[in-house]
Amino acid sequence: SQQGEEDPQALSIQEGENATMNCSYKTSINNLQWYRQNSGRGLVHLILIRSNEREKHSGRLRVTLDTSKKSSSLLITASRAADTASYFCATVDSSGGSNYKLTFGKGTLLTVNP
Amino acid sequence: DTGVSQDPRHKITKRGQNVTFRCDPISEHNRLYWYRQTLGQGPEFLTYFQNEAQLEKSRLLSDRFSAERPKGSFSTLEIQRTEQGDSAMYLCASLSGRTYTGELFFGEGSRLTVL
Repeated sequence: SQQGEEDPQALSIQEGENATMNCSYKTSINNLQWYRQNSGRGLVHLILIRSNEREKHSGRLRVTLDTSKKSSSLLITASRAADTASYFCATVDSSGGSNYKLTFGKGTLLTVNP
Repeated sequence: DTGVSQDPRHKITKRGQNVTFRCDPISEHNRLYWYRQTLGQGPEFLTYFQNEAQLEKSRLLSDRFSAERPKGSFSTLEIQRTEQGDSAMYLCASLSGRTYTGELFFGEGSRLTVL
């Protein structure tokens, strides 16, 4: 089963614009991660935010986490055509202990037009 | 290249045939995961190993699927009597065992097409 739901399912923007993707989840989490996937390729980890953190930055990426609303957002600033990809949020359930596994959402397909 | 490698990258087979995928994780990672991804969907968890022990199997993993990690290094995922519904990308990932937390490192996947 899939835990997260990304919104929107697809997003098309112009190069230079910012892109915001949202993720909602259902259970209490240990951490939430964002991954990127180019078409037909594997997933690449972008950023991890722990349940006791509210915001995190990495380069042009900014992630927020609101555990009271069970939601997260990923902001990509100054987008480039090379950012075109699918973006997935993934959660780790807090009840798992050493049973560490990621549950993925359905993803947002981002298209950045040059 | 010290990343996760998967083989083959693409496999086309006829319904009813058996297929096997191999995953070589990052060498010092003792946790290894298999996920399945269909078009337009996110990866779905299938199973994972800690060293050679299979710790959890999803209900998605029917009795036609078997996964092994015999020496705690590489892993194989076998699908017997393939069905068209098995067509998907099979993704392998590994995780450092030092903290059992953090990011998963994914391979490029093995795409299966069942005709």
